[in-house]
Amino acid sequence: KAGVTQTPRYLIKTRGQQVTLSCSPISGHRSVSWYQQTPGQGLQFLFEYFSETQRNKGNFPGRFSGRQFSNSRSEMNVSTLELGDSALYLCASSLVPDRGDYGYTFGSGTRLTVV
Amino acid sequence: AQTVTQSQPEMSVQEAETVTLSCTYDTSESDYYLFWYKQPPSRQMILVIRQEAYKQQNATENRFSVNFQKAAKSFSLKISDSQLGDAAMYFCAYRSDDMRFGAGTRLTVKP
Repeated sequence: KAGVTQTPRYLIKTRGQQVTLSCSPISGHRSVSWYQQTPGQGLQFLFEYFSETQRNKGNFPGRFSGRQFSNSRSEMNVSTLELGDSALYLCASSLVPDRGDYGYTFGSGTRLTVV
Repeated sequence: AQTVTQSQPEMSVQEAETVTLSCTYDTSESDYYLFWYKQPPSRQMILVIRQEAYKQQNATENRFSVNFQKAAKSFSLKISDSQLGDAAMYFCAYRSDDMRFGAGTRLTVKP
């Protein structure tokens, strides 16, 4: 079956702009989590969605937001981009947000560069 | 808040030899899961092995095994018979409510 699909794979934006990233989970998976990966900070948890509801949120400013649709696809949005937002954004899906499941399946990420 | 610590930023191993990657975590919970993920240059995170905290038996997956010490909050990954394809970043992760990752260990495999 198809894996987790993230689009686009690469993105270059200008400081001050906004950006929307998309994640389609594995068919049947209803939970989607987002992470920001940078060389200095590693993998930082952004938020998790399940059944169109945000379950958890990491320690990021309000410029970072997300949503999940009824088909479990998720989008994250970053407004008023800053240079420090340059990162690899990873999406991960799981069947349900249950600590007992078999971990996450990750997408290949979206590489965002802010200039 | 739960934290995950990987104290080895880089490790190197000779092909066919064994290497152990360290991970410690901090938590006050008794029910949680631990994972090791591998991230090759292709960027995709791949699940290597999973351990349930309530199980005392260490998980194994072919050449990969863990040494889980719950009291010490330690979760190391042992890779036996290392192969060139094992070269990657390895991340230790803790999952309770959400999943938190360590900073990663870059593993180099020398031919």
